[in-house]
Amino acid sequence: EAEVAQSPRYKITEKSQAVAFWCDPISGHATLYWYRQILGQGPELLVQFQDESVVDDSQLPKDRFSAERLKGVDSTLKIQPAELGDSAMYLCASSRGVAGGNEQFFGPGTRLTVL
Amino acid sequence: AQTVTQSQPEMSVQEAETVTLSCTYDTSESDYYLFWYKQPPSRQMILVIRQEAYKQQNATENRFSVNFQKAAKSFSLKISDSQLGDAAMYFCAYTPGTASKLTFGTGTRLQVTL
Repeated sequence: EAEVAQSPRYKITEKSQAVAFWCDPISGHATLYWYRQILGQGPELLVQFQDESVVDDSQLPKDRFSAERLKGVDSTLKIQPAELGDSAMYLCASSRGVAGGNEQFFGPGTRLTVL
Repeated sequence: AQTVTQSQPEMSVQEAETVTLSCTYDTSESDYYLFWYKQPPSRQMILVIRQEAYKQQNATENRFSVNFQKAAKSFSLKISDSQLGDAAMYFCAYTPGTASKLTFGTGTRLQVTL
């Protein structure tokens, strides 16, 4: 059964350092999402791609976060510099299309701890 | 802006019993979808059930069913014959009909006891 892959699963870093997370969506899924889930809360969308184009990055803190999906397949989310408040679970998801109602398939997430 | 509210931070149910998780939402859209996602401890989030707003019939998936009250903007999840494997965080979520961005509630942690 196809799954969304993410790495690393866990990342501990110090404040002001750079971190990067990688996501490989299910083959054939054109839409890719990065969510941030703070402990005790529901996930919030950071950025959404349709193929290699950004569809929604309205909640992405662009002064420190960047995301790319250069060939429309896998994607990287970067934080530079990391801050204490960035400690959270970063979830990647993919779906076949952008229309409402499309099931999103989630990866296992990357748990980031910033010290 | 759309909002999703889950007022039960934690729920507990005995094995084989039935439990209902509550969710309310707010939207001005007429076309939208509602979801329940399950997030087991240390495992990925998976879709439990989906409801299209234009369908009056409540969605069912095996032991899982919803009570969709469109006028009241309520979308509750009923789990029948609860099993130990049902223990997880459950998130209610919303998308408008024209976009797939999910708006999640804060979640309900379900415990299943023997």
